[in-house]
Parts: sequence; structure tokens; C-alpha cells
Amino acid sequence: DQQVKQNSPSLSVQEGRISILNCDYTNSMFDYFLWYKKYPAEGPTFLISISSIKDKNEDGRFTVFLNKSAKHLSLHIVPSQPGDSAVYFCAAISTSGTYKYIFGTGTRLKVLA
Amino acid sequence: GAGVSQSPSNKVTEKGKDVELRCDPISGHTALYWYRQSLGQGLEFLIYFQGNSAPDKSGLPSDRFSAERTGGSVSTLTIQRTQQEDSAVYLCASSFSSGSGREQFFGPGTRLTVL
Repeated sequence: DQQVKQNSPSLSVQEGRISILNCDYTNSMFDYFLWYKKYPAEGPTFLISISSIKDKNEDGRFTVFLNKSAKHLSLHIVPSQPGDSAVYFCAAISTSGTYKYIFGTGTRLKVLA
Repeated sequence: GAGVSQSPSNKVTEKGKDVELRCDPISGHTALYWYRQSLGQGLEFLIYFQGNSAPDKSGLPSDRFSAERTGGSVSTLTIQRTQQEDSAVYLCASSFSSGSGREQFFGPGTRLTVL
């Protein structure tokens, strides 16, 4: 039972354009969501997060949108840069629970120069 | 300050052997997690330690897998009688358990290859 799903395994975007990465979840108890970026041979690094009391959080080129009714979140990267090429994971937790993070399967983003 | 460290970075072993993987979390982080990432797969939760509470072992795939966290700091993941399907990158992460610092900090991982 995949509670957090990233249905697009890969995405290619031209440099300077917008990258949109999507994530869906099924557990309505999740109330905090995070995005991580992973380069080859490295551990994931935290990118941006959002609490369920918000529907948008912005940090520089990165914006995360949360649609609770649809149980959907997305990460927007504008403008995309070649250095953004990596695998992106979304994760969700229930902060009233045990802080057990559930990760999606990842989306490989390739930004073309 | 030092981040999460893991050792060894790479481990090649023969089927049937036992292996131990080590994780040193960030000082002060009370939560510690183990994940594994098999080729082409996402992050699979294995086990979670929170302070002195009993660990959440719900992700361990079999009884060949076990983990300890001594003194609330260093953790060791042990795989007994390794199988080829155990080949993966094993990732450790730590975090604060409450407040605003909910993001996990990951180590670089241990790549395990079982021949």
C-alpha cells in the first residue's frame, strides 16, 4: 500500500522553464510534507516543507503547493537550472503520530541546457 | 558542525555472511532512521529510534535484519545471512523530534553488494 505516490518517474525540462513535480498521498492523517533532492552517490538533502495549515510555501526558486482536498502536493522550480537535475522525493508525516516519514518513489528531473 | 556519517561507504560481501552498518547521527538529534534504496526504487523505511522509546521496527523486511542504538547516539544495522536481494544503498537519517526542525538529515549511505 503506497501511501505516498510520485507517478512520474522522470521529467525533462528546458533550462529557464518551470519544473513541476507532483506527489499524491492517501493518508488523511499526514499533516506535514517535505521535499528532498538527491544527487547520485549522496544522501537526500532537505529542500522545502509545508504544514497542512498552509497551502503554499515559497523559498527562492522553489515553491510547494498543497491541496488537502485532493491530497496532492507539487513542487515548482522556477527558473529551472541544470544543477537542479537530480531525483526528487516527497515525504509525509503525521506529527501527532510517531514521526515516521513515508517517502514517495522519486522523480528524476533532468534540466536541459 | 558534522553531519550524519555512515560507515563503511561501500561493502561487498558473500551470500550468507553477516554485515554491520554504522551510523553516527548529528549530535542532539533524538530521532534516527534507517532506510534502504534498491536499484530504481524509492526510499524504503526500515526502522526508527526515538529517544529511549521502543524502536519502530515495522519496516524491517525479515528477522535477519536488526538494529541497535547505543546511548541514544550511534546506531548499527545488522544483516545476518545476507542474500543477494539485500543489495542496496542503506541510508541513515537523524532529526529533532519536535518543534520546527522536522526535516531529516541524511548520511551519504552505505552501498551493500551481496555476491
